[in-house]
Amino acid sequence: SQKIEQNSEALNIQEGKTATLTCNYTNYSPAYLQWYRQDPGRGPVFLLLIRENEKEKRKERLKVTFDTTLKQSLFHITASQPADSATYLCALAGNYQLIWGAGTKLIIKP
Amino acid sequence: GAGVSQSPSNKVTEKGKDVELRCDPISGHTALYWYRQSLGQGLEFLIYFQGNSAPDKSGLPSDRFSAERTGGSVSTLTIQRTQQEDSAVYLCASTPLQGLYEQYFGPGTRLTVT
Repeated sequence: SQKIEQNSEALNIQEGKTATLTCNYTNYSPAYLQWYRQDPGRGPVFLLLIRENEKEKRKERLKVTFDTTLKQSLFHITASQPADSATYLCALAGNYQLIWGAGTKLIIKP
Repeated sequence: GAGVSQSPSNKVTEKGKDVELRCDPISGHTALYWYRQSLGQGLEFLIYFQGNSAPDKSGLPSDRFSAERTGGSVSTLTIQRTQQEDSAVYLCASTPLQGLYEQYFGPGTRLTVT
C-alpha cells in the first residue's frame, strides 16, 4: 500500500539556521507533491507545490526539492525564525485526493 | 474574502448519540473534502464532493458516517451512534477547481465522545 513517512520526532533548530524536513514515500509515483503548515488548533495552510518534472521550487525563505528516483522530498526553511515553529505536512497527489504524511513538528529556538 | 468556516469548533457528545458537523466552503469553490485527523496521525480522507457529480465516499470508515452537500455549497458530515474511536478533529477543505490544487482548510471541529 502507499506509504508516506515524515520524521515523527520534533526537529529543534537554532534561530537563523536552515531547517530541513524530509518526506519519503513508497509504492507510489505521484504527479506532484504539496507542503502545508499547521499551527495548533488550526487547519493546514498551503505553502508550496512541486511537480514530478521539477527538481526544485522556491518561495521566499522556503525551498522544496523532489527526487522521484529516491522517492523523497526535502523542505528547507532558510534563516529560520521562531515564528516558523509549527507542524509541516507533506501530501502526495493521488487520484482525486491527497495522501498525507503525519507531519513533522519544527521548533525554532531563539 | 471569507475563508472556509466550520461549526461547531468543539463538540462533546456521549457515546451512542448522533452528531452533525457543518462546513461552509469558500464561495465558488466546486470541490469539497472532509478529513479526520487524530493525534499524531496524518489527515485521513473521508469524502470528496465535486460539483454535481456523485461524491467519492471511499474514505468513510463505516456506515455510521454520511455526508451531504446542498446546493453545491454547505456540507454536513453526520456521525450516527458515535463511538469513542470517533474522537478526532474533523477538517473540511475546498478547492476552486476539479483536480488536486492547493486546498483551503477550515479550522476544524474537535469531536470528543465520552
